[in-house]
Amino acid sequence: KNEVEQSPQNLTAQEGEFITINCSYSVGISALHWLQQHPGGGIVSLFMLSSGKKKHGRLIATINIQEKHSSLHITASHPRDSAVYICAVGTSGSRLTFGEGTQLTVNP
Amino acid sequence: SAVISQKPSRDICQRGTSLTIQCQVDSQVTMMFWYRQQPGQSLTLIATANQGSEATYESGFVIDKFPISRPNLTFSTLTVSNMSPEDSSIYLCSVEERRGWNYGYTFGSGTRLTVV
Repeated sequence: KNEVEQSPQNLTAQEGEFITINCSYSVGISALHWLQQHPGGGIVSLFMLSSGKKKHGRLIATINIQEKHSSLHITASHPRDSAVYICAVGTSGSRLTFGEGTQLTVNP
Repeated sequence: SAVISQKPSRDICQRGTSLTIQCQVDSQVTMMFWYRQQPGQSLTLIATANQGSEATYESGFVIDKFPISRPNLTFSTLTVSNMSPEDSSIYLCSVEERRGWNYGYTFGSGTRLTVV
């Protein structure tokens, strides 16, 4: 069992739909990160969470420390949101443990 | 947050040759990381590079294959040596920055390497 598990692995949506990507982890963490990877390979950090909820534009990230679970929501999805979304948890020291990613495709 | 310039963005290389990937950061950072992402896989940490000391390699990665330089607090290189098709991956550098009580991470734009 991976220390960080994401679901779904692949997600296809129509433009405008509300999207949820889930992340569960099994280790103690200092913070949880949501990352976005575009087809060229570059990665952008979307959120860093240690508790509660954060919102940036159409993106919302929540974390439940007791349940060891986080969700990334995208409201009013758009084709430009198509990317791989990666959940990563910070554990001891500076180490990050990554989920396998969720490939999101938003069709017009 | 820091801005990283990673070069090259992609390359196609012959087996047996070496490629050096560069990461330039616009601010001084202590911790830099090098990752590999094989096709369809998540990121795997290759090594941690601190200025003024030798890089610390993860299990399965060795200095002879992936030599790293960190001459100052804004620059690092990763060399992929004696390449084989199995080295075809995306390679990414990352830096750690203090953000409040936690650490945030900024990633480079990645180098997509194909070995033929």
